Amino acid sequence: AQSVTQLDSQVPVFEEAPVELRCNYSSSVSVYLFWYVQYPNQGLQLLLKYLSGSTLVESINGFEAEFNKSQTSFHLRKPSVHISDTAEYFCAVSELLTGGGNKLTFGTGTQLKVEL
Amino acid sequence: DGGITQSPKYLFRKEGQNVTLSCEQNLNHDAMYWYRQDPGQGLRLIYYSQIVNDFQKGDIAEGYSVSREKKESFPLTVTSAQKNPTAFYLCASSPTPGGTEAFFGQGTRLTVV
Repeated sequence: AQSVTQLDSQVPVFEEAPVELRCNYSSSVSVYLFWYVQYPNQGLQLLLKYLSGSTLVESINGFEAEFNKSQTSFHLRKPSVHISDTAEYFCAVSELLTGGGNKLTFGTGTQLKVEL
Repeated sequence: DGGITQSPKYLFRKEGQNVTLSCEQNLNHDAMYWYRQDPGQGLRLIYYSQIVNDFQKGDIAEGYSVSREKKESFPLTVTSAQKNPTAFYLCASSPTPGGTEAFFGQGTRLTVV
């Protein structure tokens, strides 16, 4: 069975400082990896994904994540955060289901709080 | 606008009552999912459906039931057998064959009073 570990439940950081949100996964097969962001009382929005190819993936709002197979990690980074980045971030790993579709297994989430 | 619509956004239920949460999508996705979210526990899969008239239990199906009579609809019923139903419920869908991300609705917050 696949699992995802997000060790940091909360990460406080000052505005314009860099941040890293850690994610480690366990899986016996090839994986697809995702980061989702959730604002209060809303659904999840896809931030970025790794399916194949380049191990460094980027989002349109300055976040990036690097797939590291040897360390089974997919850490999320941003060089300079903004107040608007305050949200909860979820790492997820995808398992392909027989017959199609994919089952996402989520980590427990990291609350990023950006302070002035 | 394509997307996933969950209704209602907030729902209150008395103990012992069944309640049905609605999920509709117009993305033409084959697969649909229901997740439950509790603070500090991430999202846990309740049920999923890969095709009309077929669905499978996820990791925490006890006390829940679903149907998939139409491609665009995947309602979730929280029954009185669910011991701790107060939670945030998220519906999602994805195209098949797999390998791509899931798209989420805005969620329904269920509170048992």
